[in-house]
Amino acid sequence: GQQLNQSPQSMFIQEGEDVSMNCTSSSIFNTWLWYKQEPGEGPVLLIALYKAGELTSNGRLTAQFGITRKDSFLNISASIPSDVGIYFCAGPTYGGSQGNLIFGKGTKLSVKP
Amino acid sequence: SAVISQKPSRDICQRGTSLTIQCQVDSQVTMMFWYRQQPGQSLTLIATANQGSEATYESGFVIDKFPISRPNLTFSTLTVSNMSPEDSSIYLCSVTSTGGYTFGSGTRLTVV
Repeated sequence: GQQLNQSPQSMFIQEGEDVSMNCTSSSIFNTWLWYKQEPGEGPVLLIALYKAGELTSNGRLTAQFGITRKDSFLNISASIPSDVGIYFCAGPTYGGSQGNLIFGKGTKLSVKP
Repeated sequence: SAVISQKPSRDICQRGTSLTIQCQVDSQVTMMFWYRQQPGQSLTLIATANQGSEATYESGFVIDKFPISRPNLTFSTLTVSNMSPEDSSIYLCSVTSTGGYTFGSGTRLTVV
């Protein structure tokens, strides 16, 4: 079945540094989603990507939908302490936009002030 | 995008008992999804709930253990039955709407 391989598993960085994480799959996805989850909360959508090659920003966050449709990356620039959390990539199953989601295993981000 | 109200936010339950989790959406949606997030893990789909029909369960999840109701287009419940400590997880509902995929804030369940 479809699987998402997300890396790195965790990151410990200094405030102000840039962060990069990525997701790859052996299957094609028509949509890539990036979520952030803070303790005690459900995942919150950060960026949604709908077209191969698409590059989308949301403040200090930038994500790209890979040309092959089998990968995506998320960058965070000039990290701040409130960026701490777990970041998940996700994509709808069966290649559609109304299917349920499968998730990567997450990247746990820790930011040292 | 849709707004989901999920409750309870957390509970501590005795093994062998059952807990029903509720999700209320502020708009009508066709499909609602229930996920489980085990400690330190990612989210795994339990089932898809459509109004007017039985829920569709993913491999490894059965209706007797996780019965689901979907009485209308804005509401669904998930029951965790005959709980054991292995059921300790965060349970989340999710919907797809014009704004994309939205999640409830989750129910943190601890079984003792």
